[in-house]
Amino acid sequence: DQQVKQNSPSLSVQEGRISILNCDYTNSMFDYFLWYKKYPAEGPTFLISISSIKDKNEDGRFTVFLNKSAKHLSLHIVPSQPGDSAVYFCAARDNTDKLIFGTGTRLQVFP
Amino acid sequence: DAGVIQSPRHEVTEMGQEVTLRCKPISGHNSLFWYRQTMMRGLELLIYFNNNVPIDDSGMPEDRFSAKMPNASFSTLKIQPSEPRDSAVYFCATRTGGPGELFFGEGSRLTVL
Repeated sequence: DQQVKQNSPSLSVQEGRISILNCDYTNSMFDYFLWYKKYPAEGPTFLISISSIKDKNEDGRFTVFLNKSAKHLSLHIVPSQPGDSAVYFCAARDNTDKLIFGTGTRLQVFP
Repeated sequence: DAGVIQSPRHEVTEMGQEVTLRCKPISGHNSLFWYRQTMMRGLELLIYFNNNVPIDDSGMPEDRFSAKMPNASFSTLKIQPSEPRDSAVYFCATRTGGPGELFFGEGSRLTVL
């Protein structure tokens, strides 16, 4: 069973607009959440993270929001740029220190 | 720093053959993870090591898969015998101790015909 779910396989956004990527999880023991970005033929790279004791973390154009009661987190990118086009993976850390990843959302930012 | 180094980058083999994927972690990183990426399951954790010791191999699909970490600078993932459903991109990732982010290699794309 998938403990970390990204229900939107793809998202298309116009340049300059906001991109919102969503992630849901089932395990209430997850204590740390991360977003990774992956370009074709490359390994995923770390983007931003949030601890379960916070509800928001911001880094430049990227903001992650955590709603623990809903077991939901989201990544906001504003303004979106063509270079943001990639696959975005949500990940959660469990109590054995493993990172569990979602299935990914492919973001396309068009001019 | 050279980053996490994986080899081969691409492997095409026939069903039944043995496949060995290799990983050299970033120096000083004491945790190493093997993931498999497929369309259906995304990034699926296969096994992870801490200080060269396997901690959790519950993600290894079946006995055909095995992984070793004989020392702090090298790990292998072996599939014997390989099957077409093993076709995927296999990633190695490492980190220092604690909740720090994972650093991924560029992956090994395996195709089993």
